[in-house]
Amino acid sequence: QQQVKQSPQSLIVQKGGISIINCAYENTAFDYFPWYQQFPGKGPALLIAIRPDVSEKKEGRFTISFNKSAKQFSLHIMDSQPGDSATYFCASRRGNEKLTFGTGTRLTIIP
Amino acid sequence: NAGVMQNPRHLVRRRGQEARLRCSPMKGHSHVYWYRQLPEEGLKFMVYLQKENIIDESGMPKERFSAEFPKEGPSILRIQQVVRGDSAAYFCASSPRTGLGYGYTFGSGTRLTVV
Repeated sequence: QQQVKQSPQSLIVQKGGISIINCAYENTAFDYFPWYQQFPGKGPALLIAIRPDVSEKKEGRFTISFNKSAKQFSLHIMDSQPGDSATYFCASRRGNEKLTFGTGTRLTIIP
Repeated sequence: NAGVMQNPRHLVRRRGQEARLRCSPMKGHSHVYWYRQLPEEGLKFMVYLQKENIIDESGMPKERFSAEFPKEGPSILRIQQVVRGDSAAYFCASSPRTGLGYGYTFGSGTRLTVV
């Protein structure tokens, strides 16, 4: 099964700091890379997504950086807030196939 | 515009019983995906269905598990003769179609506990 490797497993960031979560994928045919945010007791919610034809996508405080040659992509959360405390999942997909998820990063923002 | 509806939210079953989990996709969505999440773990793909068709069941255990998405009504994930290892959160997601730009919308999940 194609893998998506995510790190770190957990992350603690001070309020106002930058949170960075990394993912690496194996299949060069993947063409869709979303990030999902999950709060306790809730289902994952789509946060931001990127295609491999661009190197960066920004939406508000959230940015995806994509490195096609290294087969890596990362989520940056600028000016991190306590409300950003959640579990974040990266994912990848090829064409019409299902999404394959990373193992998740539990992010905690401290005052 | 209701989102993806899953019920029940919580389900307790004794070992050997059957569990039925229901998922109603968003209006206009014809593609349904089921994922399983164990505590402190990621989302593991189980099955992908369209109306009356199973498209990809590569993540489904060979025994005891089945899924359907009938022409009318919700998608059903059925687990027969449940065991303790089936305890997990089961999430359903839907999309209007597949391809670039069509992300998944997830439901809030069904938390199955086998006692």
